[in-house]
Parts: sequence; structure tokens; C-alpha cells
Amino acid sequence: DSGVTQTPKHLITATGQRVTLRCSPRSGDLSVYWYQQSLDQGLQFLIQYYNGEERAKGNILERFSAQQFPDLHSELNLSSLELGDSALYFCASSLRTSGVLNTGELFFGEGSRLTVL
Amino acid sequence: DAKTTQPTSMDCAEGRAANLPCNHSTISGNEYVYWYRQIHSQGPQYIIHGLKNNETNEMASLIITEDRKSSTLILPHATLRDTAVYYCIVNYGQNFVFGPGTRLSVLP
Repeated sequence: DSGVTQTPKHLITATGQRVTLRCSPRSGDLSVYWYQQSLDQGLQFLIQYYNGEERAKGNILERFSAQQFPDLHSELNLSSLELGDSALYFCASSLRTSGVLNTGELFFGEGSRLTVL
Repeated sequence: DAKTTQPTSMDCAEGRAANLPCNHSTISGNEYVYWYRQIHSQGPQYIIHGLKNNETNEMASLIITEDRKSSTLILPHATLRDTAVYYCIVNYGQNFVFGPGTRLSVLP
């Protein structure tokens, strides 16, 4: 158990819909990362937050957005869903000890599996 | 893009050491080498990381060449549960970029 909690574990929805994925980081971790992993694909970095502020953006579509709340949990919002958005979405957290730089490892949750029909 | 090159796949006999290589010829002086693994769509799991010196923990050993252009992850006594995709990542303060990794199959 990594200490990172993601909900829901599984989600099935239809094209055009909107969903929200939730992530609770490990206790004390200030940074949250979101990754997408499509079937047989690698992990694609989407976005990172540090202590409530967006710090880095990766290959995140404009239809997707995220935020980190004062209690440090994060939500990833996916809207106007398409079939190709079906994937595993992972959240990871880390403890940043020197501002921007991450000198530690990432701890991943077990993911949310999204199926768009 | 990932800054590392790994074999696509490897096999290892159960009980033997698994040696997973990684090339990172463009690594910069302050970048660490990290290893993660992902077992069948579970969340990736941190294994080990190092900068210059060899490192060992309860899971594995990491051997980094003197010029730091390559490294090897060693699982000393591979078990069937070690079958996974292993990712080698170089990183300092940036976001972790995962390449395709090496699919290790531990065979009985």
C-alpha cells in the first residue's frame, strides 16, 4: 500500500460525458501528479500540482483539467469524453523538500480505470 | 521524451539474478537514476535510485557505471512475482518521464 488513494477504481461512462477522478496523496506529501496510461501504452504525464498550485503541464488535453485543494487532495476532470480517453489514470504524490525540485521518489495509487462507451 | 534506452523484453529463470540494463548516455551531472516497476496495470512501484554510487536496498541493487552513462538493476533472486515492466528514468527536479521500459518475464 503506497498510501495514495484514488477513487473511483472503475468508471464506465458514455461519449460526451464528464467525469471527475479523485486522489488523496500520502500524508505529508505536497505534490500530486496525474498520469494517463492507455491500453498497452506507456505512462503519459498530464499535470502536476505542488501545494495547491499548478507546477507543470504535460500532454494534457484542453478538455481535461485538474486542481489541488487546500487539504492537498486533487481532482482530475475529464469532459466531452471520447472513446480514446478510455485508459488507466494514475495519481502519484511526493514530498518536495526544496521548492520546485523533487528530490524524492513518486508514490503511485492503484489507478482509476475509465471506460468510455 | 525519455532520456533512457532499455531492452524491450527479457526473460529470467526463477531463482536466478535478473540484470536489467539501461543506457542514459546524455545524463547530466545532477540527474539521478530511478527505477520503477509496474506489475500488470497496478500503480508503478518505486524500486531504487542513485546518483553516482552503487545502491542496495531490500528489493534490488543498482550499479551505475563510473561515467554514469549506463546502469544495471539487479534483482538477486528473481521470483515469479517479479514479472513486470521495469522503467529506468533519469531525473533531477523535473517530472518523471516514463519510457516503454523492459518487460521482464520470470520463468519457472
